[in-house]
Amino acid sequence: EVQLVESGGGIVQPGGSLRLSCAASGFTFSDHYMDWVRQAPGAGLEWVGRSRNKDYRYTPEYAAAVKGRFTISRDESKNLLYLQMNSLKTEDTAVYYCARGRNGFDSWGQGTLVTVS
Amino acid sequence: DIQMTQSPSSLSASVGDRVTITCRASPGIGNSLTWFQQKPGKAPKSLIYDASTLQSGVPSKFSGSGSGTDFTLTISSLQPEDFATYYCQQYIAHPFTFGPGTKVDI
Repeated sequence: EVQLVESGGGIVQPGGSLRLSCAASGFTFSDHYMDWVRQAPGAGLEWVGRSRNKDYRYTPEYAAAVKGRFTISRDESKNLLYLQMNSLKTEDTAVYYCARGRNGFDSWGQGTLVTVS
Repeated sequence: DIQMTQSPSSLSASVGDRVTITCRASPGIGNSLTWFQQKPGKAPKSLIYDASTLQSGVPSKFSGSGSGTDFTLTISSLQPEDFATYYCQQYIAHPFTFGPGTKVDI
C-alpha cells in the first residue's frame, strides 16, 4: 500500500526557515516523480513544486511564488522527500501535502500545517 | 501559465441526483487533466486522470470526459459520502494549475 507521511510543520516567524519531510513507503521511491502542493486556510490547492525521478536525476521544478526560496530534494536511501523553505512569508501559511506524481497525482499524504506569523 | 476555471463554484443537490461539474482550460491541455475530491480537513483524493480514466478503487458512479479545453466530471447518483469539494488540475505543463473548486452540498 502506498503511504506518504509529512512532518516538520509548525509555527515560524516571517523571514525564518523550515524543512518539511515526506516519508514514502509501499512503492519504489526512486521510480516516481514527487510533488508538493499547498492549501492556505479556506483556499484552494496550489502546486508548489516537483522532484523528477531518478532517471531524470531528481531535477526539480518550482512555482514562481516559491522559486529561489524553496528547495526540493530527496534522500533516496531513506525514501524521504524534503521541502526546504527559506525566507518565509505570511502568505506561505498553508497545509503542505506531498503527492506521488503518477497518473496525475494518485496518492497524497495527510498534510502538515505551516504557520508563518 | 495555463488558466483553469470551474463551474459552478457551488451547487446544492439531493441524494440520488446526477451531478455534472465543468472545467475549462486555457490554452488547451489535450487530455492531461485530473479530478480530485476533498472533504473538510482531509487530503485530496484522486478520482480520475487523463481526463477520463478512473483511479484504482474509485467507484464507477464517477466519470470524466473531454479533451482540449472543456472537461466534465459526472457523478451518476449522488450519495451522502459524495458531498465534498471537487477540483480539476492540469498536468501538461509547469506550473501545474488547479481549478478553484466546486463545492457540492446538500
